[in-house]
Amino acid sequence: AQSVTQLDSHVSVSEGTPVLLRCNYSSSYSPSLFWYVQHPNKGLQLLLKYTSAATLVKGINGFEAEFKKSETSFHLTKPSAHMSDAAEYFCVVRTATDSWGKFQFGAGTQVVVTP
Amino acid sequence: DAGVIQSPRHEVTEMGQEVTLRCKPISGHDYLFWYRQTMMRGLELLIYFNNNVPIDDSGMPEDRFSAKMPNASFSTLKIQPSEPRDSAVYFCASSPGPPNPDTQYFGPGTRLTVL
Repeated sequence: AQSVTQLDSHVSVSEGTPVLLRCNYSSSYSPSLFWYVQHPNKGLQLLLKYTSAATLVKGINGFEAEFKKSETSFHLTKPSAHMSDAAEYFCVVRTATDSWGKFQFGAGTQVVVTP
Repeated sequence: DAGVIQSPRHEVTEMGQEVTLRCKPISGHDYLFWYRQTMMRGLELLIYFNNNVPIDDSGMPEDRFSAKMPNASFSTLKIQPSEPRDSAVYFCASSPGPPNPDTQYFGPGTRLTVL
């Protein structure tokens, strides 16, 4: 059974407008949740992570995400998109039932930013 | 620190040949991960090590794949014999121990093409 679902495979936004990337997870226990970004031909870079502390998590480059247990969601937002935000974004979950290092990646959301 | 180093960056080989991918993790990191990324299957965890010991290899597709970590600064992923369906980008990532064991640092990847 899939543990993490990214609801949009592609998102297109205009520069300066808000960005919303949606992620839902399934877990019987409190999960650890992450967002990573991958720019073309590059490795993945951590944007932010939630590990049972504050439910609103702030990351790098102006991104933030809110953990909502009742909705099993961990959506990523940014108030104003920049051209450099064009990349692929991955929601990642680690559940307590898996071995510690078994991070499960969503299918990814490709973000396009138009001028 | 130079980050996670992978070599080669690109590999083109013919079906049936042996392929060896190499990874040097960030110094001091206790965990090392091998991932495979394809359009069809997304990002998949193949295996991970803790203190040079393989912990979970349930993602290794079949016996043609093997991974070793002879010391804390070097790991290899070997495919023998290679097949066209092994064509993918292979990422190595490393992760420190406490207090931030969750954060993974990815290398730039090795793009493998099997003809």
